[in-house]
Amino acid sequence: AQKVTQAQTEISVVEKEDVTLDCVYETRDTTYYLFWYKQPPSGELVFLIRRNSFDEQNEISGRYSWNFQKSTSSFNFTITASQVVDSAVYFCALTGSSNTGKLIFGQGTTLQVKP
Amino acid sequence: ETGVTQSPTHLIKTRGQQVTLRCSSQSGHNTVSWYQQALGQGPQFIFQYYREEENGRGNFPPRFSGLQFPNYSSELNVNALELDDSALYLCASSDRQGFSGNTIYFGEGSWLTVV
Repeated sequence: AQKVTQAQTEISVVEKEDVTLDCVYETRDTTYYLFWYKQPPSGELVFLIRRNSFDEQNEISGRYSWNFQKSTSSFNFTITASQVVDSAVYFCALTGSSNTGKLIFGQGTTLQVKP
Repeated sequence: ETGVTQSPTHLIKTRGQQVTLRCSSQSGHNTVSWYQQALGQGPQFIFQYYREEENGRGNFPPRFSGLQFPNYSSELNVNALELDDSALYLCASSDRQGFSGNTIYFGEGSWLTVV
């Protein structure tokens, strides 16, 4: 069975602090994809990144960076110099060759960035 | 802007009634999935359609049904509404069938309240 665990339910930081959101996954598929989505109060899931299981290179996009480690089945997300606009719920998700493309989501981490 | 639009954005229904939610995908996106997101939870996969046929289903009863049309629009129908059906319903589309590493785009969702 596939599973995604986001152990941090809520995180509160002060603006300009760095923050890391944890994601641990379980899958028996050898080929799989990991995603991060941001969900503001409006409800729309905003795509942030997609990473396949064969590419363990870390990725940086502006203030966002992702650390993918297959050895620990983790795909963590770091926001550098957080801003109030980063406040949202963040979801980590997984899809693999055994599940016809459906996304398995974690429970989400609510990030509050205070001014 | 994901190119995925959903309607209605909010609606209230009475227990036992039926509801139809609609989604319009990007042109060329022949795969659409529906998710249910209860308050404080991650989205749960309901089903997926590819080229107008159901192509994978999550753990939802048959009173949840769907349709996909040639013009890249789709519907989610829920019969005999129950109070627990109150949730945000999200439509997602991509341009490849089944297992896909392609980006999956979400709409803003339809907030359903069953009273």
